[in-house]
Amino acid sequence: KAGVTQTPRYLIKTRGQQVTLSCSPISGHRSVSWYQQTPGQGLQFLFEYFSETQRNKGNFPGRFSGRQFSNSRSEMNVSTLELGDSALYLCASSLEQGSSYEQYFGPGTRLTVT
Amino acid sequence: AQSVTQLGSHVSVSEGALVLLRCNYSSSVPPYLFWYVQYPNQGLQLLLKYTSAATLVKGINGFEAEFKKSETSFHLTKPSAHMSDAAEYFCAVMGYNKLIFGAGTRLAVHP
Repeated sequence: KAGVTQTPRYLIKTRGQQVTLSCSPISGHRSVSWYQQTPGQGLQFLFEYFSETQRNKGNFPGRFSGRQFSNSRSEMNVSTLELGDSALYLCASSLEQGSSYEQYFGPGTRLTVT
Repeated sequence: AQSVTQLGSHVSVSEGALVLLRCNYSSSVPPYLFWYVQYPNQGLQLLLKYTSAATLVKGINGFEAEFKKSETSFHLTKPSAHMSDAAEYFCAVMGYNKLIFGAGTRLAVHP
């Protein structure tokens, strides 16, 4: 079974632009979560989607948003990019929503904001 | 609130030596605990998880972890380190449908 896929793998954007990242979960997985990884802040939770609805949100500004489609694929969008948004963005999928379900991660999208 | 503390941001061992990576958690409810590994320029790979079925959990690549409630610990061990184990390791606790990660421990393995 194919793992979690994320596109693109690398992205360079200019401050003030917006960006959309895509995530395809493992087949049959219905929950998708997004995390941001930076050297300074480590791994931080952005949001979780289940059944096309945002179920949980981390402590990030409104410039960060996402959505989930009926096939469980998910996108996240960052508007008005800032230099501090440079990070590795990781998507994770799990079979169902709930604390007992392990999350499987994709390879990430490396975003560089200049 | 739940949290995780990993003791030691860098650990260095010789090939063939015991690997011990420390993790302490804080949780007001019985926790779901996880260890993940990250190789350079890759995502996170699940090594093992604790879900209260057994206190000693065996994972992939010869790793195991023991849940000790009295010590609020979930340390990761491997009897004999291999060069391919060099990576960054993250301990995590599941909060409300989200993973809360420790700061990570970078493991170096030298010949």
